[in-house]
Amino acid sequence: GENVEQHPSTLSVQEGDSAVIKCTYSDSASNYFPWYKQELGKRPQLIIDIRSNVGEKKDQRIAVTLNKTAKHFSLHITETQPEDSAVYFCAEHNAGNMLTFGGGTRLMVKP
Amino acid sequence: NAGVMQNPRHLVRRRGQEARLRCSPMKGHSHVYWYRQLPEEGLKFMVYLQKENIIDESGMPKERFSAEFPKEGPSILRIQQVVRGDSAAYFCASSQFITGGVYGYTFGSGTRLTVV
Repeated sequence: GENVEQHPSTLSVQEGDSAVIKCTYSDSASNYFPWYKQELGKRPQLIIDIRSNVGEKKDQRIAVTLNKTAKHFSLHITETQPEDSAVYFCAEHNAGNMLTFGGGTRLMVKP
Repeated sequence: NAGVMQNPRHLVRRRGQEARLRCSPMKGHSHVYWYRQLPEEGLKFMVYLQKENIIDESGMPKERFSAEFPKEGPSILRIQQVVRGDSAAYFCASSQFITGGVYGYTFGSGTRLTVV
């Protein structure tokens, strides 16, 4: 069955440092891996995604890497800012046509 | 495009009452998903629907919870005889599916249910 493990559950960094969040999945048929950011009291919002035919994707300060052999993917945020503070969720999409989410990482960026 | 619309944003119910949560998907989206989020926790899948069909309800509690997505109108998540443990944020998401994968998986603003 589907299972997505996300680490760490909390992450505190100093403003300007980098943050890395890692996820592993178990279903080799998974082909789409989005990342969502959820600010307090708000909806999860898509920030970046990657499909299984790509190893890395970058969008300004955010990048995602995918290792299909090892079944893990990571979110990298560089030059973190206080407004990056939020809960981040990874997810995987499999043949079941829906997303399964990791448990979330609470990122705190200290000014 | 108004996005995924959920209402009400906040809902207070007394124990034993019924709660009805509504979700209108984005224009052009035919897949609807419901998730429950307890305070300080992750997003737990409940049910996946297409028009007039429940595709996967493996995350739905066996009793008191039901969902539908009729031919016309919004998707409805219905909770009968609510209990305090049902208090949570319920998020709806919608997507379109194109050969090769799901696209545009977008969340609504959620309904925050409080059972008193």
